[in-house]
Amino acid sequence: DGGITQSPKYLFRKEGQNVTLSCEQNLNHDAMYWYRQDPGQGLRLIYYSQIVNDFQKGDIAEGYSVSREKKESFPLTVTSAQKNPTAFYLCASTVAGAYNEQFFGPGTRLTVL
Amino acid sequence: AQKVTQAQTEISVVEKEDVTLDCVYETRDTTYYLFWYKQPPSGELVFLIRRNSFDEQNEISGRYSWNFQKSTSSFNFTITASQVVDSAVYFCALSEMNRDDKIIFGKGTRLHILP
Repeated sequence: DGGITQSPKYLFRKEGQNVTLSCEQNLNHDAMYWYRQDPGQGLRLIYYSQIVNDFQKGDIAEGYSVSREKKESFPLTVTSAQKNPTAFYLCASTVAGAYNEQFFGPGTRLTVL
Repeated sequence: AQKVTQAQTEISVVEKEDVTLDCVYETRDTTYYLFWYKQPPSGELVFLIRRNSFDEQNEISGRYSWNFQKSTSSFNFTITASQVVDSAVYFCALSEMNRDDKIIFGKGTRLHILP
């Protein structure tokens, strides 16, 4: 079955630690996106990538980093520089350049203890 | 300026009632796409519809219907004969030309269907 997987579903981290969230897709999509969701805030774009080995900052990139070494994978690292990392993180992908809908993964809920 | 406005933060209706979720957007592009997504309690966003700016025909899919009016920059979503399974957060979204396929989401409307 084609789709997007995110792992883990729940993640707990101590303050000051970096943590990496996984996102994998087997839809052969070029473009991938990371969003952060907070209650009442909707989805805010963190980083996105339209092609392997290239990515751009979204609206709230500070305190986050990404890599895109393979087409299928777009991991997100939440660094200790992120002031309020507790949130729900969603990964999405789409066919680039076609105004298509984005397909979403099940999300990772990160809690900083 | 907010590009996608969903003024209704939360709505509660009794099962079998009809309910309309409002969406107002803002763009200077003549070519753009509008979307609706559903986010059930599980958290994953589910795509419902995509509509391009040149197609103002209303769309119906089962109990769901969408009303697109360019004159008022609105793309409203109606659920007819609501069911408890319709309880979710619904997001309206906009994609503009030459924006790297980025989608701008509204803040969402939380819909409660009461049995």
